[in-house]
Amino acid sequence: NAGVTQTPKFRILKIGQSMTLQCTQDMNHNYMYWYRQDPGMGLKLIYYSVGAGITDKGEVPNGYNVSRSTTEDFPLRLELAAPSQTSVYFCASSYSTWRDRPNQPQHFGDGTRLSIL
Amino acid sequence: AQSVTQLDSHVSVSEGTPVLLRCNYSSSYSPSLFWYVQHPNKGLQLLLKYTSAATLVKGINGFEAEFKKSETSFHLTKPSAHMSDAAEYFCVVGGTGGGNKLTFGTGTQLKVEL
Repeated sequence: NAGVTQTPKFRILKIGQSMTLQCTQDMNHNYMYWYRQDPGMGLKLIYYSVGAGITDKGEVPNGYNVSRSTTEDFPLRLELAAPSQTSVYFCASSYSTWRDRPNQPQHFGDGTRLSIL
Repeated sequence: AQSVTQLDSHVSVSEGTPVLLRCNYSSSYSPSLFWYVQHPNKGLQLLLKYTSAATLVKGINGFEAEFKKSETSFHLTKPSAHMSDAAEYFCVVGGTGGGNKLTFGTGTQLKVEL
């Protein structure tokens, strides 16, 4: 009954360091997403993927990279950490319907809390 | 493009009294609408969803929401608040253009007092 699993749960980085946030799901969902959550701002989409080998930018992609080599995994990479990337990061997944109508709910992990100092 | 507006950033109620969290949406087509709840240091959990079937939607933990097209609203209600309902609530609208993308409101923090 794992659902969406994110690691690590917490991390502190120094400016300029790099790291990869891991996300894996066991629901065989073909769609996966990365969001960041900042206080009072709701969730902003960073990148998403509609299947293995296919990724696309969301609303706030700058400073991040993703890859999707398998259905289960969707890692998010920060190459040169900056203080503005201090945030809580959520990974989510969903399955698709024809033309995405109606929209399907997304299932979320518990988040990675990242501080950059 | 679609959007949602949560009209209150903070709502405070007494335990046992009704809860009303307000949400207005903007969409050029028949929308899919959701409410999610986020407890401290946790991910988002789906409370309920509207996808053009019944306009009154029942969710988990006694919550329900009513879709009103004429008012472009999708308010969340619960008859009697419980201490465990204290959390942040997000109103969400589905998008078009592929990817099953969702647009989130800025959230309403619900406080439940004894």
